[in-house]
Amino acid sequence: QSALTQPASVSGSPGQSITISCTGTSSDIGRYQFVSWYQHYPGKAPKLMIYDVNYRPSGVSNRFSGSKSGNTASLTISGLQAEDEADYYCSSHSSSSTVVFGGGTKLTVL
Amino acid sequence: EVQLVESGGGLAQPGGSLRLSCAASGFTLRNYAMSWVRQAPGKGLEWVSGISDSDTQTYLADSVKGRFTISRDNSRNTLFMQMNSLRADDTAVYYCAKEMSYALTGYYQAWGQGTLVTVSS
Repeated sequence: QSALTQPASVSGSPGQSITISCTGTSSDIGRYQFVSWYQHYPGKAPKLMIYDVNYRPSGVSNRFSGSKSGNTASLTISGLQAEDEADYYCSSHSSSSTVVFGGGTKLTVL
Repeated sequence: EVQLVESGGGLAQPGGSLRLSCAASGFTLRNYAMSWVRQAPGKGLEWVSGISDSDTQTYLADSVKGRFTISRDNSRNTLFMQMNSLRADDTAVYYCAKEMSYALTGYYQAWGQGTLVTVSS
């Protein structure tokens, strides 16, 4: 149950697009479509932004999109806004019906 | 409105025990799989344990296997986590999380505000 690998930080200017990668293995991301992304403001509860690799829950902006290729999933945020500044975590279903999270990526909006 | 309210956190000594509770409202607990997720100070999210809607399947992270037990009382709409043989590295905010459906997929549609567990002598 090793954590998925995410960059520690990414940054972008308002209006730009950024992509956060999430690398796993053939036992998690590479094997299942159960990939999700969470937005987390410190001290608050995490929020589900993407599930099933590229589906958005109701109420989540279409500026957020997800994709997957092989053992790597990605989250893209387009038209960056100041309120997007937060920590982002990827997650995947893993073998033995467990769940594994990424180490988290801190997004800074310049 | 879906609400999850955790309780039971606090200070415990190494080797001690705590029992966390998560009171659910706004939905029927028995219809959903549930999990516990924790975040240690300055660290990322870590999945701890999950339980199926029917209570027949429970799963634990390797880091807590043999020490933690997840359970649920659907009649009381409450999720539990019994934590024994606590260690310093169990210190974290523990979140109760509701799956999107009966299945254990890791899609947590709702979260509680968390309860802090501190393990220290």
